[in-house]
Amino acid sequence: NAGVTQTPKFQVLKTGQSMTLQCAQDMNHNSMYWYRQDPGMGLRLIYYSASEGTTDKGEVPNGYNVSRLNKREFSLRLESAAPSQTSVYFCASTLWVDVNTEAFFGQGTRLTVV
Amino acid sequence: KNEVEQSPQNLTAQEGEFITINCSYSVGISALHWLQQHPGGGIVSLFMLSSGKKKHGRLIATINIQEKHSSLHITASHPRDSAVYICAAGGNQFYFGTGTSLTVIP
Repeated sequence: NAGVTQTPKFQVLKTGQSMTLQCAQDMNHNSMYWYRQDPGMGLRLIYYSASEGTTDKGEVPNGYNVSRLNKREFSLRLESAAPSQTSVYFCASTLWVDVNTEAFFGQGTRLTVV
Repeated sequence: KNEVEQSPQNLTAQEGEFITINCSYSVGISALHWLQQHPGGGIVSLFMLSSGKKKHGRLIATINIQEKHSSLHITASHPRDSAVYICAAGGNQFYFGTGTSLTVIP
């Protein structure tokens, strides 16, 4: 099935632990994104990758690293998790169609850092 | 500053009512998306608009580029429409509203 697949769906970490969130899309999209969603706030961009081999910081990149492994996969790494990183994380991919942009989102990863 | 503002933040309606959710944005855009998020669920793109109006079933989305405003309408609302509706404006990067939480009561 076409779409964006995120893993894991849920994760609990202790402060200082590290983990990688995985994201893969099978729609041949060039651009991929990682967002976090916190109560009362809109989705905020952590990092994005406009194309394979490139990554750029978004609005809230501190504490995160990313890797665009290939065109399909875009991973988000927390090197030393902090309670402030408790959030729901969404991966998205986009495709330019004429002058418009199709957007697809993963199911989200609910991360709790204790 | 919020590049995208939505109203209302919360909305409760009786089944069958006509619902309108508004979105105003201050950034230049190539497209505006209306997204739906069910509790604990993922995000689904309902509409992508760059001009005019689109209709899918009971959902209608309009956009006025000059006024930088978009609306999402739901006709004959149903309890399964209960969700958070999010407006996202932009092009290569999106700016998101904080969402409108809709509850439709039977």
